[in-house]
Amino acid sequence: QQQVKQSPQSLIVQKGGISIINCAYENTAFDYFPWYQQFPGKGPALLIAIRPDVSEKKEGRFTISFNKSAKQFSLHIMDSQPGDSATYFCAASGTASKLTFGTGTRLQVTL
Amino acid sequence: NAGVTQTPKFQVLKTGQSMTLQCAQDMNHNSMYWYRQDPGMGLRLIYYSASEGTTDKGEVPNGYNVSRLNKREFSLRLESAAPSQTSVYFCASSEFKNTEAFFGQGTRLTVV
Repeated sequence: QQQVKQSPQSLIVQKGGISIINCAYENTAFDYFPWYQQFPGKGPALLIAIRPDVSEKKEGRFTISFNKSAKQFSLHIMDSQPGDSATYFCAASGTASKLTFGTGTRLQVTL
Repeated sequence: NAGVTQTPKFQVLKTGQSMTLQCAQDMNHNSMYWYRQDPGMGLRLIYYSASEGTTDKGEVPNGYNVSRLNKREFSLRLESAAPSQTSVYFCASSEFKNTEAFFGQGTRLTVV
């Protein structure tokens, strides 16, 4: 069973554009929602995370929007740059000590 | 600091062979995890250890065993490798639950 659904599978954005990746979850016990960034040949690294007591969190060009009632959260990358080209994973966890990941979005930022 | 170190980085096994993937962290983290990454499947949790002395099954534990040797080390064992276990394996650690997880560089395993 897939508890965290992520879309789109791949995304092509022009330099300077906005990249948007969406995730939906099923388990209402989830209370921690991170986004990870992965470059080829590397392990994932935490990009930004949010907890359900806020609806938005911004760090530089990266913003998480969180809708608790819809059980959805999204990552917005403003002013996308070629260096942002990577695979992005949303994830969620709750009372147990385990992260459940989405299936990933491969982002390509073109010049 | 090295962070999370996995060995080996690459391995080719024949069907039926056994091997142990090693993972060590130097951040004094309590929780450790083993994930496998397959194309289009994201990262799926195999086993995790919330604290030293405890281990629990994740989403896809069949065919694997783990040992939390001490607070630093968490190993993953394949007793009889199968081609379906061809994957990239990642070890991760976090200080507590629902805090940042740090990942190793991965082990690319091919079973032929």
